[in-house]
Amino acid sequence: DAMVIQNPRYQVTQFGKPVTLSCSQTLNHNVMYWYQQKSSQAPKLLFHYYDKDFNNEADTPDNFQSRRPNTSFCFLDIRSPGLGDAAMYLCATSRDPGREQYFGPGTRLTVT
Amino acid sequence: TQLLEQSPQFLSIQEGENLTVYCNSSSVFSSLQWYRQEPGEGPVLLVTVVTGGEVKKLKRLTFQFGDARKDSSLHITAAQPGDTGLYLCAGLNNFNKFYFGSGTKLNVKP
Repeated sequence: DAMVIQNPRYQVTQFGKPVTLSCSQTLNHNVMYWYQQKSSQAPKLLFHYYDKDFNNEADTPDNFQSRRPNTSFCFLDIRSPGLGDAAMYLCATSRDPGREQYFGPGTRLTVT
Repeated sequence: TQLLEQSPQFLSIQEGENLTVYCNSSSVFSSLQWYRQEPGEGPVLLVTVVTGGEVKKLKRLTFQFGDARKDSSLHITAAQPGDTGLYLCAGLNNFNKFYFGSGTKLNVKP
């Protein structure tokens, strides 16, 4: 059974049109992460939530926002997608910071 | 920035061959994880190594953590087409932050 679920798997949006990606987990983990991965490169951490505490990476553009309304769900909002934001977006969870991360299948975002 | 460099970047071999992938850094990590990622999917955790010099085996895969906990290697014996994928290492620093390596893209031809 899937433990980290991402919807949709594929998302197409227009340049400048806001888009929201979702992630849910059945592991009851405290930490949820969002990564951006381009073309077989290393995943790049955008931000993470430890419970309700939001932790932004210093180099994450303001265009990227996140919400975690409850333990199970976390959303990635891209306010004004540019062509350079086309990528695979990966959600991951861990029980606590520094523990093993479990990744979802990812959402492939295309910007036209 | 704690950089993890993986080598080689690309590897294409025949089924049955052995291979080793390296993950190197000048920084010390509390632990190190190896993942395999198939095209269009998320990374799947293979193993976590914690102790310097530790060796872990997972069927045909052997993982080693360097004595100084700055580097790691993944050795695959008798590679199979099902081993094809992107292999990523990720090191954990003392502030509970993970740093991912640049990845090794492995293609095993039947």
